[in-house]
Amino acid sequence: AQSVTQLGSHVSVSEGALVLLRCNYSSSVPPYLFWYVQYPNQGLQLLLKYTSAATLVKGINGFEAEFKKSETSFHLTKPSAHMSDAAEYFCAVTPTGGFKTIFGAGTRLFVKA
Amino acid sequence: SQTIHQWPATLVQPVGSPLSLECTVEGTSNPNLYWYRQAAGRGLQLLFYSVGIGQISSEVPQNLSASRPQDRQFILSSKKLLLSDSGFYLCAWTVNSGNTIYFGEGSWLTVV
Repeated sequence: AQSVTQLGSHVSVSEGALVLLRCNYSSSVPPYLFWYVQYPNQGLQLLLKYTSAATLVKGINGFEAEFKKSETSFHLTKPSAHMSDAAEYFCAVTPTGGFKTIFGAGTRLFVKA
Repeated sequence: SQTIHQWPATLVQPVGSPLSLECTVEGTSNPNLYWYRQAAGRGLQLLFYSVGIGQISSEVPQNLSASRPQDRQFILSSKKLLLSDSGFYLCAWTVNSGNTIYFGEGSWLTVV
């Protein structure tokens, strides 16, 4: 069965510093992979997704993620953190051809001034 | 454009009372529909998903149930709520496998 692991329930960075949020997946075949962001008391919105095209995926708000099959990873990065990036981030996986999307436990990003 | 509506936004219910959360999607047909629950510090837990009218897949055995009486309507129910049912419930939809999942604004349920 597929699963998603996000390393670190909380990550704190200074404004302007690199953001790195880690995600590893478990799946028998490369799945579809997603990163979503959730602001307080709101639903989730898509940051970016990998669907077997380019392994480096660019998303909104300057975020990008790289699919590494050998490491079964899909880490999210942003070169320079902004205060408005403070939110909770979820990695998610959907099996190729399937409909059951599983989310990781989430990583809350704090940005310090 | 497609929209998803979910209600009520907040709900406070006593233990043992029934529950009904409703979700409707507009602007698309034959969507895949989902109910997730988000408990504090526990991420999103997939509760149910549906690929068509009357087709419900349950992921977590518990006292909740789901129904899809119409193509774009998805209802989450319980006959008797437990304290542990408290949480933030999110309805979501997608069209095809691998497509973006779109979420509603969520419903806060507090069982007291």
